[in-house]
Amino acid sequence: AQTVTQSQPEMSVQEAETVTLSCTYDTSENNYYLFWYKQPPSRQMILVIRQEAYKQQNATENRFSVNFQKAAKSFSLKISDSQLGDTAMYFCAFIYGNQFYFGTGTSLTVIP
Amino acid sequence: GAVVSQHPSRVICKSGTSVKIECRSLDFQATTMFWYRQFPKQSLMLMATSNEGSKATYEQGVEKDKFLINHASLTLSTLTVTSAHPEDSSFYICSVEPGQLFSNYGYTFGSGTRLTVV
Repeated sequence: AQTVTQSQPEMSVQEAETVTLSCTYDTSENNYYLFWYKQPPSRQMILVIRQEAYKQQNATENRFSVNFQKAAKSFSLKISDSQLGDTAMYFCAFIYGNQFYFGTGTSLTVIP
Repeated sequence: GAVVSQHPSRVICKSGTSVKIECRSLDFQATTMFWYRQFPKQSLMLMATSNEGSKATYEQGVEKDKFLINHASLTLSTLTVTSAHPEDSSFYICSVEPGQLFSNYGYTFGSGTRLTVV
């Protein structure tokens, strides 16, 4: 069975600082995708970044980057130069085939 | 590309009535759509997978007679909450399997529907 664990229910960061959200997962599969989704107060799910398991290089999207450790089954999200608009719920997600598995989320607050 | 429209965004209905929620893929065809339920401050819980032209696949514990899913075209899936009760009040979100658009957009989600049953 596939599981996704986010051990930080809530986090906060000062504006312009860097924060890292942790995520671990468990699977016996070898080819899969990992995602970070952001859910702001509007509740719209927004794709932040994704990683293909077969790629060793960590994905980067502007201020967002991941630290993907396949052997350790770890997929953390680093947000640099945090902005007030980054305040949201962040969900780590694993997908194999068409089946999504979401973590329980981390509520991030950016403090001005 | 890969835009998903979900309607309505909010609905309040009386206990015992039925409510229909629509999920549309606006600029691409979607063979498969997904319906999730999200309780306050919790994660998304997959309710069912909707396949165009065939019966939906429901997750364990989800009542198929309570949550009717119809995927009659490649751009529209509907979720009907029948004989709604207050415990059905929740946030419902659809997602679309993007097919060839996956490499650019990943999986796209609708904006969600907040259902309140009074």
